[in-house]
Amino acid sequence: DAGVIQSPRHEVTEMGQEVTLRCKPISGHNSLFWYRQTMMRGLELLIYFNNNVPIDDSGMPEDRFSAKMPNASFSTLKIQPSEPRDSAVYFCASSPTRGGTGGQPQHFGDGTRLSIL
Amino acid sequence: SQQGEEDPQALSIQEGENATMNCSYKTSINNLQWYRQNSGRGLVHLILIRSNEREKHSGRLRVTLDTSKKSSSLLITASRAADTASYFCATDAETGANNLFFGTGTRLTVIP
Repeated sequence: DAGVIQSPRHEVTEMGQEVTLRCKPISGHNSLFWYRQTMMRGLELLIYFNNNVPIDDSGMPEDRFSAKMPNASFSTLKIQPSEPRDSAVYFCASSPTRGGTGGQPQHFGDGTRLSIL
Repeated sequence: SQQGEEDPQALSIQEGENATMNCSYKTSINNLQWYRQNSGRGLVHLILIRSNEREKHSGRLRVTLDTSKKSSSLLITASRAADTASYFCATDAETGANNLFFGTGTRLTVIP
């Protein structure tokens, strides 16, 4: 089975440019998560979706960031305009929907390493 | 913040030794999970322990949970060079939301 697929793996662009990160979750998973990882701040949850609906976007840094999930098999995270402080590794993860008190493991993609010059 | 903290931040051991990492968290939980992250890769789920469990085993991994102290430990026995990675604990929200709160991680180096 294919895992979570992210593209591109690496992105280098100049500040001010629009950046779009893509994610294909594992088929059948109802929840999708976007994270950002930096040395300084560790792993931060940006936003997550249940059944394609955004549930919590309180981690989105500012209005320059937006995320969409038009269908169950695709999500995008967009930064416009990008700034050097957005440089980080961005991860997408998916999981089955949590049932009752049962936790569900999250399955991570290998991330997009983003560098804004 | 509900984010957990791992201790130590970094750990270096010889191959064959045991490695113990600790995690502390702040609020009540339903479950606690441990993940591994190899350099340049995404996190990989290792083990989940529920709040009504005290200990769980999976291969060379042993996880304990003390909800009264809001802490957990991950023990890797007979470590191998391939165990070199960062290890994170993650707690869920007792409210029933589906998101996890990840700790700051322990960087484990196993020297061959």
